[in-house]
Amino acid sequence: DAKTTQPPSMDCAEGRAANLPCNHSTISGNEYVYWYRQIHSQGPQYIIHGLKNNETNEMASLIITEDRKSSTLILPHATLRDTAVYYCIVRVGTGNQFYFGTGTSLTVIP
Amino acid sequence: DTGVSQNPRHKITKRGQNVTFRCDPISEHNRLYWYRQTLGQGPEFLTYFQNEAQLEKSRLLSDRFSAERPKGSFSTLEIQRTEQGDSAMYLCASSLDGMGQEKLFFGSGTQLSVL
Repeated sequence: DAKTTQPPSMDCAEGRAANLPCNHSTISGNEYVYWYRQIHSQGPQYIIHGLKNNETNEMASLIITEDRKSSTLILPHATLRDTAVYYCIVRVGTGNQFYFGTGTSLTVIP
Repeated sequence: DTGVSQNPRHKITKRGQNVTFRCDPISEHNRLYWYRQTLGQGPEFLTYFQNEAQLEKSRLLSDRFSAERPKGSFSTLEIQRTEQGDSAMYLCASSLDGMGQEKLFFGSGTQLSVL
């Protein structure tokens, strides 16, 4: 079962930063936090992942709190094409499943 | 860029029929996953392969479902005696085993409708 909690939906104005929160209070020390997004009718797309340190790539930034119990995905300048469902995932235990949960539906408003 | 390819994109079948889906992963990827997604829900794990070995199966994978990856390359997912509850998007993903870190690359899925 999913070990993360995300708000079901969020809105963001085009051109502004979108900050998507995720709680993962039961995360273990060796579990990574992953973010994927899914645009309607497509398969999920990898965005970013991290363990302890903040991470940045060409798509987004990932901020992980010091206690690792929560994280925030930041899309610095949201565009209409960023409208999607965003999934925060913690890789569980010794298994290899990625549990997606129901994610956050982000709508970027013109 | 040859990503993960799934065929067919859409399948409509009558209840009780058998269906088979195919997934062609990214060529150098040794892991292959199958997920199922219903409307409004996130993808649910079904099974995964490391090379040709099927290493884990979800309890969602009833005995009507079977998956194979005979040569460690492409994979097939077969559903026998389909039921209306099998209607869903079936997603395939592949990855390289990354010592605890792993990026899944998904195909566009096969949308199954059971009438």
